[in-house]
Amino acid sequence: GENVGLHLPTLSVQEGDNSIINCAYSNSASDYFIWYKQESGKGPQFIIDIRSNMDKRQGQRVTVLLNKTVKHLSLQIAATQPGDSAVYFCADGQAGTALIFGKGTTLSVSS
Amino acid sequence: GAGVSQSPRYKVAKRGQDVALRCDPISGHVSLFWYQQALGQGPEFLTYFQNEAQLDKSGLPSDRFFAERPEGSVSTLKIQRTQQEDSAVYLCASSLMRQGKNEQYFGPGTRLTVT
Repeated sequence: GENVGLHLPTLSVQEGDNSIINCAYSNSASDYFIWYKQESGKGPQFIIDIRSNMDKRQGQRVTVLLNKTVKHLSLQIAATQPGDSAVYFCADGQAGTALIFGKGTTLSVSS
Repeated sequence: GAGVSQSPRYKVAKRGQDVALRCDPISGHVSLFWYQQALGQGPEFLTYFQNEAQLDKSGLPSDRFFAERPEGSVSTLKIQRTQQEDSAVYLCASSLMRQGKNEQYFGPGTRLTVT
């Protein structure tokens, strides 16, 4: 069954705002998570990953936060741009196994 | 560099026909995964190869689904006697599986429509 999920199916923001997309997981043994971005008609695109021995990881305009106590992770996108509009998935990615995806959050950015 | 490629990008099949979907992984990636993505859903695992060995096929929904990777590079997903419920996007991903990280890179997918 599914063990990752996202709190909100859609998120609408204005260009320039910061976006926060949330994800909850249920498997306390999960030790590796990935955020993917999927644009219409394309495959999922790797954004950023985080191991369970970290609480925070930063990339270019993106930050992933992991709270193992409540089994929650979030993706923060700074200064959201129209090109960020897509469906975002968190995935449980224990090494050597298949990724387990949640349903996704659709981010809409209006200018 | 070249990413994961899949062909065809779109396939329309009549119910009962057999289809074959191809995946060309990133060169040097030993691990290859197939996923099925229904409309509005996240991808769901079908099967996994490490080189030519199929290590996990627990996600294949029925014995009509068959995958192979005979030389440890290109992979083919075959669906026999297609049914309408097989309509979905089929995604292929490859991974180096380095340092214990399962960083998978996806192709654009094949959209299968069974009429």
